Amino acid sequence: DSGVTQTPKHLITATGQRVTLRCSPRSGDLSVYWYQQSLDQGLQFLIQYYNGEERAKGNILERFSAQQFPDLHSELNLSSLELGDSALYFCASSPTRSHFGNEQYFGPGTRLTVT
Amino acid sequence: GDSVTQMEGPVTLSEEAFLTINCTYTATGYPSLFWYVQYPGEGLQLLLKATKADDKGSNKGFEATYRKETTSFHLEKGSVQVSDSAVYFCALSDRSTGGSYIPTFGRGTSLIVHP
Repeated sequence: DSGVTQTPKHLITATGQRVTLRCSPRSGDLSVYWYQQSLDQGLQFLIQYYNGEERAKGNILERFSAQQFPDLHSELNLSSLELGDSALYFCASSPTRSHFGNEQYFGPGTRLTVT
Repeated sequence: GDSVTQMEGPVTLSEEAFLTINCTYTATGYPSLFWYVQYPGEGLQLLLKATKADDKGSNKGFEATYRKETTSFHLEKGSVQVSDSAVYFCALSDRSTGGSYIPTFGRGTSLIVHP
């Protein structure tokens, strides 16, 4: 158990809808990372927040947005969903601002299915 | 942009065989390098890491050496066990033009170990 929790575990929704995925980092970790894992794209970094502020941005679509709250939990919002958004979404946390040389602790993931 | 290339799987071995999973990278800066492992139904876990050239990361019998001259970070284990069956991800962290470090993952290599 990494100490990172994600809810829900599974989510099934229809195209065009909007969903929110939630992540609680390990106690004391200030950084939260979001990833998308799909069969054709592999594991793609989406975005990082550090202590409430956006720190780094990867291949995140404009339809997707995220935020980190004062209690350090984070939410990833996915809107106008398309079939291609079906994937496993991971959250990871770390105690540091920089990813260089530092371990990330991954949650168990949220499986999103868009029908 | 940065990229990580891993050998395609699945890699199928008998117990006690020698394992090599190749990983090469391209990076604009001087990245740190990681190997993560993902067991079925779980998030990724850090296996080992290296932050500078010629560093050797090791854990649980797995090793990898940071080779700057060949831009490689191959994973090896002398004698695999059935419990090593999992998906292995090579990853790097490199400084982006914005100054923050961006994680980049390979597509993963599935390892299947038979008794």
